[in-house]
Amino acid sequence: AQSVAQPEDQVNVAEGNPLTVKCTYSVSGNPYLFWYVQYPNRGLQFLLKYITGDNLVKGSYGFEAEFNKSQTSFHLKKPSALVSDSALYFCAVRFSGFQKLVFGTGTRLLVSP
Amino acid sequence: NAGVTQTPKFRILKIGQSMTLQCTQDMNHNYMYWYRQDPGMGLKLIYYSVGAGITDKGEVPNGYNVSRSTTEDFPLRLELAAPSQTSVYFCASSYRAGGIGQPQHFGDGTRLSIL
Repeated sequence: AQSVAQPEDQVNVAEGNPLTVKCTYSVSGNPYLFWYVQYPNRGLQFLLKYITGDNLVKGSYGFEAEFNKSQTSFHLKKPSALVSDSALYFCAVRFSGFQKLVFGTGTRLLVSP
Repeated sequence: NAGVTQTPKFRILKIGQSMTLQCTQDMNHNYMYWYRQDPGMGLKLIYYSVGAGITDKGEVPNGYNVSRSTTEDFPLRLELAAPSQTSVYFCASSYRAGGIGQPQHFGDGTRLSIL
């Protein structure tokens, strides 16, 4: 079955430190991978996507993600975390030929001052 | 630019009641989606539509119905509300043009409690 997993329910990091939010996927065929962020009482906002090409993808608000085919991972990264980055982050995958996204269970990022 | 608008923002229903969650988008998107979000479960697709007059089931369609009479509107109907339908409901939309890499745009959700 095709799926996406976010192994950490919560990630804690101090402001100014680098952050990583992990995502792994299991698909047959080419994966199309996305990261979304959700702030309290708001809908999800698109951050970045990997379709093809360079394995390092840059997105909004200074975030980037690294696609690793051999490890079937798509980890979200940022070199220097901000308190305002505290939110719920979702990894999602769309499979070739389908218009539907499958979401991970989400990772709560807490950035302390 | 309003984007995706959902109404109401909050609602409390009694078991067995029915209601319609409204969703409208002003971006001329072909595709529209309904998700429910439960704590620790991520988002689950309820129904989706690829254009006016065309709808299809997602992962968790039981207890829900949809219609798509216009490009802009995609209402979700709950018949005979049950406590298991207590959740946060999100509507989203996306372009068809540009292939499958188009991101989805989300509304701010409807928080529904069934007591």
